[in-house]
Amino acid sequence: KQEVTQIPAALSVPEGENLVLNCSFTDSAIYNLQWFRQDPGKGLTSLLLIQSSQREQTSGRLNASLDKSSGRSTLYIAASQPGDSATYLCAVLKAAGNKLTFGGGTRVLVKP
Amino acid sequence: EPEVTQTPSHQVTQMGQEVILRCVPISNHLYFYWYRQILGQKVEFLVSFYNNEISEKSEIFDDQFSVERPDGSNFTLKIRSTKLEDSAMYFCASSGYWVNYEQYFGPGTRLTVT
Repeated sequence: KQEVTQIPAALSVPEGENLVLNCSFTDSAIYNLQWFRQDPGKGLTSLLLIQSSQREQTSGRLNASLDKSSGRSTLYIAASQPGDSATYLCAVLKAAGNKLTFGGGTRVLVKP
Repeated sequence: EPEVTQTPSHQVTQMGQEVILRCVPISNHLYFYWYRQILGQKVEFLVSFYNNEISEKSEIFDDQFSVERPDGSNFTLKIRSTKLEDSAMYFCASSGYWVNYEQYFGPGTRLTVT
């Protein structure tokens, strides 16, 4: 059974610092991995999707890496801003059309 | 940009009542999902739906739950007799092969069972 873990559960940084968010999964047989942002009481916004064959994916200030063999992904957010404060979730997809298995999230606070 | 929509945004119901949560997935997506998130807990999978039938369901999705795609656009989740522990945020999602099965989520319906 796939287990997804995100450490730390919470992170507080001053504005301008780079953020590093970690995600680990127990079963390396994945199809893809998604990173999401969730604001309090709101839905999930997809930030990045990495296919299992990819090592990295970038979108603006966001960069996600994937090391499938070791069961790890890292989300980097450059030059953090107060508007980046949210909970970031990673989720893995075992096969095409299958369910996503989610981690517990990392709650980020960027202080001005 | 196309998006998944859900109604209502918040539903309050009494224990034992039936509720129907509605979703309009992105048109031309083929895979549909329901997830839920109990306050302070992980997002957890309930059911997936493809080609007009359930393709996978979790142990949470027991006989009290059902899904339906009554027409070409709506996707519904019915809970027949709600329990206090059904209180959660319910998310609908959809995906398709041309977006590499990226799942797009709706804004959620907050269900409160009293």
